[in-house]
Amino acid sequence: DTVLTQSPALAVSPGERVSISCRASEGVNSYMHWYQQKPGQQPKLLIYKASNLASGVPARFSGSGSGTDFTLTIDPVEADDTATYFCQQSWNDPNTFGAGTKLELK
Amino acid sequence: QVQLKESGPGLVQPSQTLSLTCTVSGFSLTSNSVHWVRQPPGKGLEWVGAIWSGGSTDYNSALKSRLSISRDTSKSQVFLKMNSLQTEDTAIYFCTRGVYYFDYWGQGVMVTVSS
Repeated sequence: DTVLTQSPALAVSPGERVSISCRASEGVNSYMHWYQQKPGQQPKLLIYKASNLASGVPARFSGSGSGTDFTLTIDPVEADDTATYFCQQSWNDPNTFGAGTKLELK
Repeated sequence: QVQLKESGPGLVQPSQTLSLTCTVSGFSLTSNSVHWVRQPPGKGLEWVGAIWSGGSTDYNSALKSRLSISRDTSKSQVFLKMNSLQTEDTAIYFCTRGVYYFDYWGQGVMVTVSS
């Protein structure tokens, strides 16, 4: 299975820019997607196919990358962005998710 | 609007069978695929399996021998059955819509495997 590696946690101040990385153990073309999950809630789609903003998601969120290295950027970060962010690949079977990056605000 | 809602027992005994239902609205199962994803407490997400718009299914290979996903299109429902449950199967089970990515999710149902 394709392993997706994410850094476990990040802490930033409101108004700053933050980049969350996801590295795949093998190429996934552009089939990398990003989700936000707040405690007690279901995941919410943010970015699909590496760089496409999902409906209703603020333009502060953006995605980039292809192949094995991908990045979710939030600029500027707001207090409401405190959450865990997961990447997911769907190029190789089976679908796999990263372990998540917990974003905390200082 | 698009909605998905999971239902099922909150507690299942070890070695027993789990049966969950995902009831959808706002879209057709014959035009959309539904997946099951689970999340153990405090941990990450694991893809469980899917039923595609044409009715075919795919399963996580680690769970395939214990898992069955089916649907009733007339009732807009998708079913998950998993047998021989163990404590490691304790998780929140979500149903979600999508092909390559998942745009709508249910709120999830917590399933605890315990005697």
